[in-house]
Amino acid sequence: EVQLQESGPGLVKPSQSLSLTCSVTGYSITSNYWGWIRKFPGNKMEWMGYISYSGSTSYNPSLKSRISITRDTSKNQFFLQLNSVTTEDTATYYCARADPKRTGFDYWGQGVMVTVSS
Amino acid sequence: DIVLTQSPVLAVSLGQRATISCRASQSVSISSINLMHWYQQKPGQQPKLLIYRASNLASGIPARFSGSGSGTDFTLTIDPVQADDIAAYYCQQSRESPPTFGGGTKLELK
Repeated sequence: EVQLQESGPGLVKPSQSLSLTCSVTGYSITSNYWGWIRKFPGNKMEWMGYISYSGSTSYNPSLKSRISITRDTSKNQFFLQLNSVTTEDTATYYCARADPKRTGFDYWGQGVMVTVSS
Repeated sequence: DIVLTQSPVLAVSLGQRATISCRASQSVSISSINLMHWYQQKPGQQPKLLIYRASNLASGIPARFSGSGSGTDFTLTIDPVQADDIAAYYCQQSRESPPTFGGGTKLELK
């Protein structure tokens, strides 16, 4: 069974970097696409970006200057780094799997709530 | 970006039909392929894929869920509604990057 699990600090100070890890079991990240999606208080959801089976990346233009998604195939993990965070980056962060055939995000992690506050 | 619009709340009685709509700011279809997907999310849980490409039931999803639509107008139908279906429902398009989500429809009991 495919399982995803996010991990990382729940509290980040403004202007610092947010770093999260998504650990995947039951499926290799060298197949499909692996993305980060966040849900803000108030329920708006935003796709942040993904890393593909080949290691190529695509980012939401709204975040392009601040975001980086990388991976470690030996550990079957991928990572999110978001720089220069503000309180507006407070959200629940999810990692998810997507199929290249564009059939939606079919597996999701449980999510990790991240608060940006001093 | 493609904007997806959903009504915030829908009140329904158990055993009745619920119809949740999603309207896109531009077509999300390519030829006959409708790149709209639906998710269910309950409080404290991750979103769950219900319907992909507008009308295809995701694995393990009960047949009381169905989807329809093309172009800019899409519908998720739950018939009959059960107590376990009380949740928020989101549409999401993958026609253009960035993928975008609707604001969600909260299904409530009447």
